[in-house]
Amino acid sequence: KAGVTQTPRYLIKTRGQQVTLSCSPISGHRSVSWYQQTPGQGLQFLFEYFSETQRNKGNFPGRFSGRQFSNSRSEMNVSTLELGDSALYLCASSSTGGKEAFFGQGTRLTVV
Amino acid sequence: GQNIDQPTEMTATEGAIVQINCTYQTSGFNGLFWYQQHAGEAPTFLSYNVLDGLEEKGRFSSFLSRSKGYSYLLLKELQMKDSASYLCAAYTGFQKLVFGTGTRLLVSP
Repeated sequence: KAGVTQTPRYLIKTRGQQVTLSCSPISGHRSVSWYQQTPGQGLQFLFEYFSETQRNKGNFPGRFSGRQFSNSRSEMNVSTLELGDSALYLCASSSTGGKEAFFGQGTRLTVV
Repeated sequence: GQNIDQPTEMTATEGAIVQINCTYQTSGFNGLFWYQQHAGEAPTFLSYNVLDGLEEKGRFSSFLSRSKGYSYLLLKELQMKDSASYLCAAYTGFQKLVFGTGTRLLVSP
């Protein structure tokens, strides 16, 4: 069974640009969560989607948004990039009723 | 508020036992996860405690005390490959995990 796949693995963007990250969950998993990981803050919850609906949201500005498609694939968008958005963005999927989150390898975003 | 505390770094020698502590204070608590993360890799699941007590799984054990807001991860017979970051996370519902900043464990020969 394939794991959680995130694309791209690495990305370099300029301040002010916008970026879209993609996550394909484990087959059959309908819940997808996104986290931002930085050395100082650790992993911080961004949002969670289940069956195309956002069920939960962390404390991030509105520049961070996401969506989920009918095949459970999810995208995360960050607009008007700031230097502080440089981080590893991790996506995790869970089965319905399951609590264990299976993480992807992440997308490392560098904003210059 | 949400607060998860764990030590930043620990060192131990091969073959030894190490205990990584975690204290938590969250609004809404439905269980405590431990994840392992090697540098440059995805976090991988180690354990999940819902009820008070000790859960043992091979060389790894995890303990939870809900009344004290406290958990620990116990690693026995340490191996070099156990050098990694160990992440404590409180599950607060709807797949939301509140993570600590992680404990970097260095195992030396």
